Amino acid sequence: EPEVTQTPSHQVTQMGQEVILRCVPISNHLYFYWYRQILGQKVEFLVSFYNNEISEKSEIFDDQFSVERPDGSNFTLKIRSTKLEDSAMYFCASSPGGRSTGELFFGEGSRLTVL
Amino acid sequence: SQKIEQNSEALNIQEGKTATLTCNYTNYSPAYLQWYRQDPGRGPVFLLLIRENEKEKRKERLKVTFDTTLKQSLFHITASQPADSATYLCALDPSDDYKLSFGAGTTVTVRA
Repeated sequence: EPEVTQTPSHQVTQMGQEVILRCVPISNHLYFYWYRQILGQKVEFLVSFYNNEISEKSEIFDDQFSVERPDGSNFTLKIRSTKLEDSAMYFCASSPGGRSTGELFFGEGSRLTVL
Repeated sequence: SQKIEQNSEALNIQEGKTATLTCNYTNYSPAYLQWYRQDPGRGPVFLLLIRENEKEKRKERLKVTFDTTLKQSLFHITASQPADSATYLCALDPSDDYKLSFGAGTTVTVRA
């Protein structure tokens, strides 16, 4: 069964460093997303991406964050100058269609620990 | 402000019983509502989607209802099994643009 894969599963970084989290969405999906979940808290939307551009982003997704689809398969989240409060589980998700068409397929997440 | 509230307490039930989870929302008029399952340290897994014009939806031992007047969805797990132990998340799309907002989740533990 096709699945969304994420790397790394866990990354530890020093405050102020840049981090890139990688995702391979399901191959025939058109919409891509990043969500995050701080330990013990809700899953929060960060950004959605369609047709090689950002379609929606939350207030959390400020200039510190960027996304890219550098080739036909990868979808990356870059966090510049990490802060302690960026420590969280970051989930990539994809969906075959857009609005109201159904489910999101989530990856297993990348746990980011900022020291 | 918009809010999604799920059962605030964890739910502990005996195997074979029915678990009923509640999702209430305010200041939304969603076209649909979704339920996901999340196991510790793992990503959410989609279970069911119910649209505003549907009162009830079933999938195997799962049943979801959606009352847009009460602004509430109920999620039922019938004939529960220990393998159903997980956190269940309610999710809405406020603007119908796949910017899903999740509830905090209800943790269900099924005792053998």
